[in-house]
Amino acid sequence: SQQGEEDPQALSIQEGENATMNCSYKTSINNLQWYRQNSGRGLVHLILIRSNEREKHSGRLRVTLDTSKKSSSLLITASRAADTASYFCAPRISNFGNEKLTFGTGTRLTIIP
Amino acid sequence: DAGVIQSPRHEVTEMGQEVTLRCKPISGHNSLFWYRQTMMRGLELLIYFNNNVPIDDSGMPEDRFSAKMPNASFSTLKIQPSEPRDSAVYFCASSSDPQSSYNEQFFGPGTRLTVL
Repeated sequence: SQQGEEDPQALSIQEGENATMNCSYKTSINNLQWYRQNSGRGLVHLILIRSNEREKHSGRLRVTLDTSKKSSSLLITASRAADTASYFCAPRISNFGNEKLTFGTGTRLTIIP
Repeated sequence: DAGVIQSPRHEVTEMGQEVTLRCKPISGHNSLFWYRQTMMRGLELLIYFNNNVPIDDSGMPEDRFSAKMPNASFSTLKIQPSEPRDSAVYFCASSSDPQSSYNEQFFGPGTRLTVL
């Protein structure tokens, strides 16, 4: 299975603190994507990191990728109440043309005002 | 662009009834995905289409489920007959350029299905 597994399952932090979520996967990947899901809504793409990249930034988001350990992390800096959501990683396997993404069960992030 | 459109947003039906969920992907997108989300099983890919052709339906739970994509702008997911265990939120997503390694998926708002 190419399913990403997020850790921890749930995380609560104070507003303004940084939040770190981790993802592990099992096979070689083409890229790894992170998505956010607010309660009652569909998933929203946050950031994509390619297999030959080690780190990527987008605003307050920082993603790292270690292909030797088959793991990725998502860091949200200076968290805000609006960051409260579930976060999913989705590894894309290396088969060219195969678009399947297999999502994990997510990390439920709660930002305490 | 209106994004991915799904209908209905909510559906309540009785066991044994036929249920049809609808999806309109983003114009110009070549691929369409149907997912099911429950607390117990998380987000599961049911089937995906590329250029209106089903590519991978290994996630379709059983023969009661069927999906079609008659044209590039419309897809249906049908459950017949429905059972209480089918209760879930069903998402449709679309993406462009299947040959690219950068294609993100755009999700619709979902259809919350309750089977009594």
